[in-house]
Amino acid sequence: DAGITQSPRYKITETGRQVTLMCHQTWSHSYMFWYRQDLGHGLRLIYYSAAADITDKGEVPDGYVVSRSKTENFPLTLESATRSQTSVYFCASSSGATNNEQFFGPGTRLTVL
Amino acid sequence: AQKITQTQPGMFVQEKEAVTLDCTYDTSDPSYGLFWYKQPSSGEMIFLIYQGSYDQQNATEGRYSLNFQKARKSANLVISASQLGDSAMYFCAMRGSTGRRALTFGSGTRLQVQP
Repeated sequence: DAGITQSPRYKITETGRQVTLMCHQTWSHSYMFWYRQDLGHGLRLIYYSAAADITDKGEVPDGYVVSRSKTENFPLTLESATRSQTSVYFCASSSGATNNEQFFGPGTRLTVL
Repeated sequence: AQKITQTQPGMFVQEKEAVTLDCTYDTSDPSYGLFWYKQPSSGEMIFLIYQGSYDQQNATEGRYSLNFQKARKSANLVISASQLGDSAMYFCAMRGSTGRRALTFGSGTRLQVQP
């Protein structure tokens, strides 16, 4: 399927477990992003990647790890999930040009019990 | 640092009327882009409209227009002839011309269109 996909769409896990959220895009966009959405905060940047093997922290990176070995994939790992990481996670991609929109995946709703 | 402020947590509008959603921004970047996204109850993020900081004219996309006032650092979204399907969360966002290319979002405005 063309576009940007995320898996799983819904995930329930327990405190302390490792969780990986997957993101895949078919446009060969150089930039990819992970945001989290919490009530009252809009979307906040967790990590971003400018190209394969180039990643950097955003506003709220603590407790998360990313990698980007291939241009099309950008997984986000919660090393030891905490209740405060209960959120909706959005992956996005863009070509990087200033006037180009970011294309968002459908989101992953994560609940940490 | 960039900051987006949306001061209207919720708005009501009658069907077929126009509505303006407010957005102010702050940045030290000389060149930047402003975006509006719609998030319906189904959760996906839908791009609506883009305005570049050096664009001479206000952006328009169908029923959406962006009232860009650079000196006041505002980028208000105007929806004309509201429809029931316009009921959603609306987010204003900006991106600088350099660096990480990520979007900085406001906290959003929930719009409810009443019949």
